[in-house]
Amino acid sequence: GAVVSQHPSWVICKSGTSVKIECRSLDFQATTMFWYRQFPKQSLMLMATSNEGSKATYEQGVEKDKFLINHASLTLSTLTVTSAHPEDSSFYICSARQEPNEKLFFGSGTQLSVL
Amino acid sequence: SQQGEEDPQALSIQEGENATMNCSYKTSINNLQWYRQNSGRGLVHLILIRSNEREKHSGRLRVTLDTSKKSSSLLITASRAADTASYFCATDLRSSASKIIFGSGTRLSIRP
Repeated sequence: GAVVSQHPSWVICKSGTSVKIECRSLDFQATTMFWYRQFPKQSLMLMATSNEGSKATYEQGVEKDKFLINHASLTLSTLTVTSAHPEDSSFYICSARQEPNEKLFFGSGTQLSVL
Repeated sequence: SQQGEEDPQALSIQEGENATMNCSYKTSINNLQWYRQNSGRGLVHLILIRSNEREKHSGRLRVTLDTSKKSSSLLITASRAADTASYFCATDLRSSASKIIFGSGTRLSIRP
């Protein structure tokens, strides 16, 4: 099956620093990538949808300047958490879809802890 | 925003029993998908059912869809300890084909 690689798996950073998370589709070209955020024992909250070569579409309440998403190629999307604060600590998961396939392939997630 | 609500939130059953999880959603969909998540990991796709389908099977999984009630159910038969995980329904919205919204999830525990 299709493989999506996400790294780092976990990151600890100081408040005020920026953190970049990468999401790569290893054996297929992802027309669409999604970024989700998940709090402990809760569901996945969609943050944004990104299509290769175009600006990401952010969900209501998600700060565009805070969570920068770049989908520069059909195999790579990045999420940068800028000026991270403790409230940004969370589990971030990316997923990718290759049209016309309707199902999502997920990365293994990144646990971000901001001190 | 969250599209789906699932119940129960948590379910604990004996190994060998069947597990049923339900999902309700709010808006029209293209399809509904079920995913599984082991603790602290990414999600794995289990099964997809389209809006014009009513039932689908895959191994020990059986999914039903009732678009008139905007609800779906996932049945896992003959449960195993390895089925312990969180299960999420996800809806592919008709109004926005590239958006997939997840339900609140059911935490399933299988007792040996």
